[in-house]
Amino acid sequence: EVQLQESGPGLVKPSQSLSLTCSVTGYSITSNYWGWIRKFPGNKMEWMGYINYSGSTSYNPSLKSRISITRDTSKNQFFLQLNSVTTEDTATYYCARYYYYSSSLNWFAYWGQGTLVTVSS
Amino acid sequence: DIQMTQTPSSMPASLGERVTISCRASQGISNYLNWYQQKPDGTIKPLIYYTSNLQSGVPSRFSGSGSGTDYSLTISSLEPEDFAMYYCQQYDSSPLTFGSGTKLEIK
Repeated sequence: EVQLQESGPGLVKPSQSLSLTCSVTGYSITSNYWGWIRKFPGNKMEWMGYINYSGSTSYNPSLKSRISITRDTSKNQFFLQLNSVTTEDTATYYCARYYYYSSSLNWFAYWGQGTLVTVSS
Repeated sequence: DIQMTQTPSSMPASLGERVTISCRASQGISNYLNWYQQKPDGTIKPLIYYTSNLQSGVPSRFSGSGSGTDYSLTISSLEPEDFAMYYCQQYDSSPLTFGSGTKLEIK
């Protein structure tokens, strides 16, 4: 079974970079799509972006200048970097496998447990 | 961006009750609508894809319907494990966007 686990610092200072790792077991990240989603206090959820089987990425335009998603296929991990964070980036961050069967059939099939990142000085 | 308006934001309900959660898109999304459940421990799982198709392993008391801009998730008879948060998500166009969530609470 596919399992995803987020890891990284729980506290980041404003203006610094947020870096998270998603470790995947049970499925190769060289197949399908792999994304990051965050849930803000107050329950709003935001899709941040994804990296696909070939390493191509797609990002939410609201984050485009600050976000980078990369991967290490040898470790079966993918990564999120968000630059110049503010307190508004405080959220629980989830990694997920995005099942893309076709343009009309796709969904976030497997999710990590989420990791809370607080931006504060 | 397509805005997804989900109602209600919270819903007290009783065991055995039938409940419906609504999701309205700011423009037509051609049935490209998924539903997710988030449990109190934070676990998120997909429930329904492409408006009305049940994910494998999801009980048949869950159903989805809708078209155009209006969609809904119905639970026919609430079980204890159904008290959770529910989110809709559209994939008609990028960026993917989620509804604001509905918290199903025990009355």
